[in-house]
Amino acid sequence: NAGVTQTPKFRVLKTGQSMTLLCAQDMNHEYMYWYRQDPGMGLRLIHYSVGEGTTAKGEVPDGYNVSRLKKQNFLLGLESAAPSQTSVYFCASSDWTLEQYFGPGTRLTVT
Amino acid sequence: DAKTTQPNSMESNEEEPVHLPCNHSTISGTDYIHWYRQLPSQGPEYVIHGLTSNVNNRMASLAIAEDRKSSTLILHRATLRDAAVYYCILRVINQAGTALIFGKGTTLSVSS
Repeated sequence: NAGVTQTPKFRVLKTGQSMTLLCAQDMNHEYMYWYRQDPGMGLRLIHYSVGEGTTAKGEVPDGYNVSRLKKQNFLLGLESAAPSQTSVYFCASSDWTLEQYFGPGTRLTVT
Repeated sequence: DAKTTQPNSMESNEEEPVHLPCNHSTISGTDYIHWYRQLPSQGPEYVIHGLTSNVNNRMASLAIAEDRKSSTLILHRATLRDAAVYYCILRVINQAGTALIFGKGTTLSVSS
């Protein structure tokens, strides 16, 4: 099993550009999450999903959109990137026990 | 939302036990206590979780106070690989589903 994978691993955007981060899991988990982590800070929840076709807002949802069209995939979109969105983005998945499995992260820089 | 309080940093020597404290005085009866850790440049890793009783697994032990307002993660013999940020998290249940809220955690340093 690959576990949780994230694409891409690194990305540099200019202000105003858009992009989509892809998260995939092969553990048949119902729940999936997107977090961001800024230097020296803990993780903050952006959006999460409790099942295919459902999404919910976390702590810091502004400027991001998500979609869960397939159970194994959770997409995070930035419609108009801003320098404040420079961060490391982590995806995670879990079953009902909420033991979360995390991906390796995507390092995003917005200039 | 229930909150947790942890020391910013702790130090330990290799081969010694480490006790990482966490206060959660506003915990509700249905909140589980989870611990995760994050090694440098990696995603977080699940360590252990519990509700009321003490829990043991291959990585650590979790001691939960009788009133559940505090808990302690115990690493029985610290190794250099245990140097990480440790997060104490309460499971929050709301109408839309369930989520874990991470704080800043405790940075554990291990010396040889």
